[in-house]
Amino acid sequence: EAEVAQSPRYKITEKSQAVAFWCDPISGHATLYWYRQILGQGPELLVQFQDESVVDDSQLPKDRFSAERLKGVDSTLKIQPAELGDSAMYLCASSLGSMLDEQYFGPGTRLTVT
Amino acid sequence: GDSVTQMEGPVTLSEEAFLTINCTYTATGYPSLFWYVQYPGEGLQLLLKATKADDKGSNKGFEATYRKETTSFHLEKGSVQVSDSAVYFCALIWAGNMLTFGGGTRLMVKP
Repeated sequence: EAEVAQSPRYKITEKSQAVAFWCDPISGHATLYWYRQILGQGPELLVQFQDESVVDDSQLPKDRFSAERLKGVDSTLKIQPAELGDSAMYLCASSLGSMLDEQYFGPGTRLTVT
Repeated sequence: GDSVTQMEGPVTLSEEAFLTINCTYTATGYPSLFWYVQYPGEGLQLLLKATKADDKGSNKGFEATYRKETTSFHLEKGSVQVSDSAVYFCALIWAGNMLTFGGGTRLMVKP
């Protein structure tokens, strides 16, 4: 069964350092999402791609976060510089097309900023 | 804006007990409603969904009915198992808006 792949699974970094997460969606899925899940809370959307284009990045802290999906397939989310408050689980999800299609989630990257 | 409110956990039950996890929502339109489940160390999985009022979603013995009059989508299961221990998220989406999640409810089932 096809799955969304994410790496690394765990990342510990010091504040002010740069960190990057990678996501490979299910093959053929045009829409890719990055979510942040703070411990004890539900996921919150950071950015949504349709193919290689950003559809919604209204919740992305653009002063330190960036995301790209250059060839419309895999995607990278970067934080520079990391802050203590960025400690969270970063989830990637993909779907066939519209927001109403089922979203398939990867296992996430747990980030700890020290 | 749109929002989802779930009962706080953890919910601790004995095996074979009846489960209810309450979920209510606020939305400006008529959203589609979802329950997702997150097992330890894994990503979220769609458990069930309902797209219009009075629809009942069901999967793996879990059920939830879309109640427009009470703006609710409570999750139920008649007999829980230890393997059902997980965090459950209620969520909604409508029109072109984003998928909005509740805070999650942790379920612990003891043998």
